[in-house]
Amino acid sequence: GALVYQYPRRTICKSGTSMRMECQAVGFQATSVAWYRQSPQKTFELIALSTVNSAIKYEQNFTQEKFPISHPNLSFSSMTVLNAYLEDRGLYLCGARLSNTGQLYFGEGSKLTVL
Amino acid sequence: QQKVQQSPESLSVPEGGMASLNCTSSDRNFQYFWWYRQHSGEGPKALMSIFSDGDKKEGRFTAHLNKASLHVSLHIRDSQPSDSALYFCAASDTNTGKLTFGDGTVLTVKP
Repeated sequence: GALVYQYPRRTICKSGTSMRMECQAVGFQATSVAWYRQSPQKTFELIALSTVNSAIKYEQNFTQEKFPISHPNLSFSSMTVLNAYLEDRGLYLCGARLSNTGQLYFGEGSKLTVL
Repeated sequence: QQKVQQSPESLSVPEGGMASLNCTSSDRNFQYFWWYRQHSGEGPKALMSIFSDGDKKEGRFTAHLNKASLHVSLHIRDSQPSDSALYFCAASDTNTGKLTFGDGTVLTVKP
């Protein structure tokens, strides 16, 4: 079956430092990967959508300079949160899927705590 | 205005009862709808999708879509304590590929 692994599961970092998280699709080739942040209140924000053979599209309020994403092949993606501050806290979720209308398979998330 | 709105915010049903969750979209570009379930400490997992008018049944779960009103519902019959979780409605824009989530409904099934 299709699985998505995320690493690390949780990180505690000091304010102003950076955190890199990884996303691995297993059992399928992900044509697109979406990165979300789930707030402590459980609401979802789409950070960016990365589709094979297309540029990575960032949502309003999220920039490549702050959240650089790498999507080198159909099974792996990584995202870094640069200069993390309190407002960056949350559960960062990677969702991968086979097609634009297909099911988005999520990993368990990388939880970021900023001190 | 949020593009995907869910109601109620929380719901409590007795074990064996019927749970009904609602979702309304304000964007006619949304053509596919998904229901996701998230247990505490885990990532969300897809329960079912629906994109045609009418009902779609999978086991104890039935989704209903009314495209004219952009209203989607999820009904869980014979609810079990293990169904207690956060349920999200998500709408897919087939033009952009973006999946937009509602704010979720907390379902509690009491033994």
